[in-house]
Amino acid sequence: KNEVEQSPQNLTAQEGEFITINCSYSVGISALHWLQQHPGGGIVSLFMLSSGKKKHGRLIATINIQEKHSSLHITASHPRDSAVYICAVVFTGANSKLTFGKGITLSVRP
Amino acid sequence: SQTIHQWPATLVQPVGSPLSLECTVEGTSNPNLYWYRQAAGRGLQLLFYSVGIGQISSEVPQNLSASRPQDRQFILSSKKLLLSDSGFYLCAWIQGQGRTNYGYTFGSGTRLTVV
Repeated sequence: KNEVEQSPQNLTAQEGEFITINCSYSVGISALHWLQQHPGGGIVSLFMLSSGKKKHGRLIATINIQEKHSSLHITASHPRDSAVYICAVVFTGANSKLTFGKGITLSVRP
Repeated sequence: SQTIHQWPATLVQPVGSPLSLECTVEGTSNPNLYWYRQAAGRGLQLLFYSVGIGQISSEVPQNLSASRPQDRQFILSSKKLLLSDSGFYLCAWIQGQGRTNYGYTFGSGTRLTVV
């Protein structure tokens, strides 16, 4: 069964901490997305990965295709980073359709 | 520029009433369009996708239907809402020629509460 698992489910951090959010998936993929969902529901695409590593500001996303695993890192976390972070993948052969993880709720305390 | 408009942002509807959610995109032609739903406590799930005008594929059996009357317009409908239709509905489209880069753009979503 094609599944996407995220851990931990909820995460609380202190401002300034380095944060890691994990995502694993069950079978081969064509692409992996990291998304951010703020209260109210709007979703923003942070990264799209098919291999290696990408960086944007304080956010870093990595993917290990062999291990079927991806991580999203947040450096020097800030309360405005508080949101739900969702991992979604395009499984090989699934055309362009996304399968989503349940998301991780991150709270960064000042 | 490429944008996507989705409305309304929130909606409260009684059981048995009809539903129409609309999504339009700008700045592109012949996009792949998607409707996803997020039920309480669950991840987003694909409901419908469309690769062209009048072409609709349904992923899960349900009380909803979708239509694509124009290239950049995608509509989600129901004739009679059920309580289980409550959730967060998200429209999305694929960027890029040939759909090879899987770059998604998401609408702002509609939070539907059926009462």
